[in-house]
Amino acid sequence: EDKVVQSPLSLVVHEGDTVTLNCSYEVTNFRSLLWYKQEKKAPTFLFMLTSSGIEKKSGRLSSILDKKELSSILNITATQTGDSAIYLCAVYSGGSNYKLTFGKGTLLTVNP
Amino acid sequence: NAGVMQNPRHLVRRRGQEARLRCSPMKGHSHVYWYRQLPEEGLKFMVYLQKENIIDESGMPKERFSAEFPKEGPSILRIQQVVRGDSAAYFCASSPRLASGYTYEQYFGPGTRLTVT
Repeated sequence: EDKVVQSPLSLVVHEGDTVTLNCSYEVTNFRSLLWYKQEKKAPTFLFMLTSSGIEKKSGRLSSILDKKELSSILNITATQTGDSAIYLCAVYSGGSNYKLTFGKGTLLTVNP
Repeated sequence: NAGVMQNPRHLVRRRGQEARLRCSPMKGHSHVYWYRQLPEEGLKFMVYLQKENIIDESGMPKERFSAEFPKEGPSILRIQQVVRGDSAAYFCASSPRLASGYTYEQYFGPGTRLTVT
């Protein structure tokens, strides 16, 4: 069965800190890996990674995929209280390009 | 530029009643997906629909659950004779057309939180 594991499960930091969230996966016929930010509403799309080693960047957030290690990291620099959320990692699994398998998420709390 | 819309946002049903959850995809999107999020669990795929077609319902419980995406109107996830274990957040997502060999981001709605009493 396809599996996505995120670590840590929760993390508490102070504003201004840099954090690294981890995602590892075991899926058949890997297609893409996606990161989402979930606050008290819709999971908001952040990045989709298909090729290994290419960094996707948006402001203070960046992510890299390592297909050899079957993993990805999400970095957030100069954290702000507004970054507090659950960060979800998901992969298209089973060779499909429509069925996402999600990890349980990392709960990030940024204190002022 | 409305995103994915879901209603109701919160739904309370007594055991044995029916629950109807609605989802309107983003403008221009014709592919709809339903996911369920149980407490302490990640989102789990339930069903993938295109207009008037169920493409993959492998994640749907075999009984009491059904989904449709009619030619006109929103996609509906229907749960008949609800039980306490159906209490969860149900999310809908949509994407543009899918071409073989390509993957696309899925955009999620705010979810419907179903509570069965």
